[in-house]
Amino acid sequence: QKEVEQNSGPLSVPEGAIASLNCTYSDRVSQSFFWYRQYSGKSPELIMSIYSNGDKEDGRFTAQLNKASQYVSLLIRDSQPSDSATYLCARTTAGNQFYFGTGTSLTVIP
Amino acid sequence: DAMVIQNPRYQVTQFGKPVTLSCSQTLNHNVMYWYQQKSSQAPKLLFHYYDKDFNNEADTPDNFQSRRPNTSFCFLDIRSPGLGDAAMYLCATSRDGPGRITDTQYFGPGTRLTVL
Repeated sequence: QKEVEQNSGPLSVPEGAIASLNCTYSDRVSQSFFWYRQYSGKSPELIMSIYSNGDKEDGRFTAQLNKASQYVSLLIRDSQPSDSATYLCARTTAGNQFYFGTGTSLTVIP
Repeated sequence: DAMVIQNPRYQVTQFGKPVTLSCSQTLNHNVMYWYQQKSSQAPKLLFHYYDKDFNNEADTPDNFQSRRPNTSFCFLDIRSPGLGDAAMYLCATSRDGPGRITDTQYFGPGTRLTVL
């Protein structure tokens, strides 16, 4: 699905470091953005949703949205081995469309 | 706890033998979705129901059908499964449709389908 682009990784960070995950999208009509975490063989679970430009923080997670530059990012502070998973970026539009990115694989090294 | 439930968790079927996957929700959400996810790929939306209104994605094969008899239940029917249909099938719900402020999707645990 080319409408949402993610670097597939794998991304490796040491335990305690900041992991930075990025997502770009191809049009300006997107309204809602989501970050999901998916462990191998499991279903996606919601981490954050963001609708407005700027930063949104929830615990160790910060989502950043820049609609002018058409990117959304997820920062994970104090990364833990349990954060090792695939992170899926998703967006929706007012036109009833929903797109997932292909995901970025993150490994946190103890 | 309110949740999205999928049954069975694992399904094995034979090539060409019809199979039905089940999803139920206790969230009382208006929208229910079915996704197909193959290994190392993003979930691919097959279709969704907004209440009783069925919305089919343009590239969803005719082999895939869905039924939503009431708010709580939604079924995925695969009429003649092929080897290429082996995948994880994910059901999700949201309070409102895509593009609305309450369109966050909540996923069930998935059904892994094997086609022999």
